[in-house]
Amino acid sequence: DVKVTQSSRYLVKRTGEKVFLECVQDMDHENMFWYRQDPGLGLRLIYFSYDVKMKEKGDIPEGYSVSREKKERFSLILESASTNQTSMYLCASRSTGALGGYTFGSGTRLTVV
Amino acid sequence: AQTVTQSQPEMSVQEAETVTLSCTYDTSESDYYLFWYKQPPSRQMILVIRQEAYKQQNATENRFSVNFQKAAKSFSLKISDSQLGDAAMYFCAFQGAYTGTASKLTFGTGTRLQVTL
Repeated sequence: DVKVTQSSRYLVKRTGEKVFLECVQDMDHENMFWYRQDPGLGLRLIYFSYDVKMKEKGDIPEGYSVSREKKERFSLILESASTNQTSMYLCASRSTGALGGYTFGSGTRLTVV
Repeated sequence: AQTVTQSQPEMSVQEAETVTLSCTYDTSESDYYLFWYKQPPSRQMILVIRQEAYKQQNATENRFSVNFQKAAKSFSLKISDSQLGDAAMYFCAFQGAYTGTASKLTFGTGTRLQVTL
C-alpha cells in the first residue's frame, strides 16, 4: 500500500523555535508538496519540489523554507515559529505526468504557543 | 492564476437522501482537470471523482456524480443515497492540463457535510 508519511500527527512548539516537519513517500514520486490547511481558507500551497534539491515557492511561502536532499523525503522548516503558523500541514506527492494522482499524508496539526 | 470557490461552508443531509455541493472556478485555460476530494476526521484526503474538461460527459463513481458546466465554470458534486460515512469535509480542486513538474492543485475553501439519521 503506497504511502505518504508525516512524522508527527500533533506538535506543540514555542514561539521562536525552529520547527521541522518531515514527510516521506515510498512511491518514487518526483513531485512533493506542502500545503497549509486553515478553516475557511482551504488548502494553500506553501512550497513544492519537482526533484532532489529543486524547489519552487507556492502561494504562501513567507516564513517557511524547505529541504529535499533525497527523493523520498521533503521537509518543511519554520525558521522561527510564530503563533500565526498554528495550522494543519499536509504533505502530498505526485508522479510527473500523472493526472491527479496525488497521494496525501494524514497531516500534522502544529500549535505554536 | 486559477481560483476555486465553494460558497457553502456547511451542508446537511438526511441519510438516504441526495445532496449537491457547489463549486465554481475561474481560469483562462481551455483544458484542465477538476476534482472532488473528501477529508474525513482521519484527515486523509481521498479522491472522490475527477473530470477532464475536454469530456462533455459528466463523471460518475457509484453514488457520486458531477454536473460539469464548462461555459459557466461550474462543477457541482451530487451524492445520492447519502450514508453516515459520507460525513466529511469536501474540497473542490483544479489542475491545469499541463501535468509536468509545475502542475499543482488549487483547492477551494471546502464544504463540511453533515449526515443525519
